[in-house]
Amino acid sequence: GQQLNQSPQSMFIQEGEDVSMNCTSSSIFNTWLWYKQDPGEGPVLLIALYKAGELTSNGRLTAQFGITRKDSFLNISASIPSDVGIYFCAGPGGGGADGLTFGKGTHLIIQP
Amino acid sequence: NAGVTQTPKFRILKIGQSMTLQCAQDMNHNYMYWYRQDPGMGLKLIYYSVGAGITDKGEVPNGYNVSRSTTEDFPLRLELAAPSQTSVYFCASTNNRGSEAFFGQGTRLTVV
Repeated sequence: GQQLNQSPQSMFIQEGEDVSMNCTSSSIFNTWLWYKQDPGEGPVLLIALYKAGELTSNGRLTAQFGITRKDSFLNISASIPSDVGIYFCAGPGGGGADGLTFGKGTHLIIQP
Repeated sequence: NAGVTQTPKFRILKIGQSMTLQCAQDMNHNYMYWYRQDPGMGLKLIYYSVGAGITDKGEVPNGYNVSRSTTEDFPLRLELAAPSQTSVYFCASTNNRGSEAFFGQGTRLTVV
């Protein structure tokens, strides 16, 4: 089945730093989704990408749909304490079914 | 607008007991999903439904059952709880296949 590899697995950064994480797939995706999960909560959609090469921003977050359609990147500028959480990439197709395949997540930890 | 509502939020079961995790959405979405999340493993699809009366297996369906008698509700049933089913369970819904999914807040289940 489809697999999504996220890196890094975790990040320890200082408040104010920029963050960059990426996701690669073993097959072509037509949609890339980036979610954030706060402790004790469900994932919340941050950015959706639908076209190869697309660059989309949501406040301090910017995500890009790779040209090869097998990767995507998420950048966070000037990190703040509330950015702490787990960031997941996701794409259509889960277990050969009509669901989403998720990466294993990037844990973002911000040190004041 | 409640979105996706899951109950209960927490539950402890003994091995062999059964229970139903409830999920309801008020967005009139056709697609509904059940995922489980284990530490460091992302989210894995258990079952999904493309509409009332239609359900299908996802990546990890063993030990679970679902039903979809209405568009709004998609309960997940555990018949004989096992320690391997200790996890956090998320219900989600979408308007279209593989598109942006809205998640509930999760049910944390412990089987002892």
